[in-house]
Amino acid sequence: GEDVEQSLFLSVREGDSSVINCTYTDSSSTYLYWYKQEPGAGLQLLTYIFSNMDMKQDQRLTVLLNKKDKHLSLRIADTQTGDSAIYFCAEAAGTALIFGKGTTLSVSS
Amino acid sequence: DTAVSQTPKYLVTQMGNDKSIKCEQNLGHDTMYWYKQDSKKFLKIMFSYNNKELIINETVPNRFSPKSPDKAHLNLHINSLELGDSAVYFCASSGIEGNGNTIYFGEGSWLTVV
Repeated sequence: GEDVEQSLFLSVREGDSSVINCTYTDSSSTYLYWYKQEPGAGLQLLTYIFSNMDMKQDQRLTVLLNKKDKHLSLRIADTQTGDSAIYFCAEAAGTALIFGKGTTLSVSS
Repeated sequence: DTAVSQTPKYLVTQMGNDKSIKCEQNLGHDTMYWYKQDSKKFLKIMFSYNNKELIINETVPNRFSPKSPDKAHLNLHINSLELGDSAVYFCASSGIEGNGNTIYFGEGSWLTVV
């Protein structure tokens, strides 16, 4: 079945780059997504990548996709304290999304 | 003009009660969902409706009954609430857009059963 795996925690210092990794199982997924959840808030779509792309850059965010290894990563450049949140990787499964367990990013000043 | 809105945001209720969470989307999307986020922050899909018809029904106790009066609304009714039902429930909707089938989430409803 579908399963999306991510490491649960990442701790970085302000100004450093953060890299959050994710592996997925469904090779037929056409889109892969990153969502952000701040404490006590809902899920905010951060960015997405189409499966025929290797990389997508959006301001401080860079998404890398390795389809062969079914590996997705999210790089946040110049990480700020406001980036502290839970980051969810998700793959499209039909009309629904299958989420990873989320990576809690902690940014210290 | 919130895209996906759900009410109530917070709900504290006793075991055994029946409660409903309402959801509305103004995006014109055909598909709506309910997701459950447990205390460990794990997100799992519960139900999906497309044009008022149930298309996904994951392994969810039949105490949970979704109702879609029209494609802009998907309400979640829960009977005989149990302690384990305490969670955050997210409503979402999706439609085909330039970036594929992107799902937009509501702000969540924090349910606490005591």
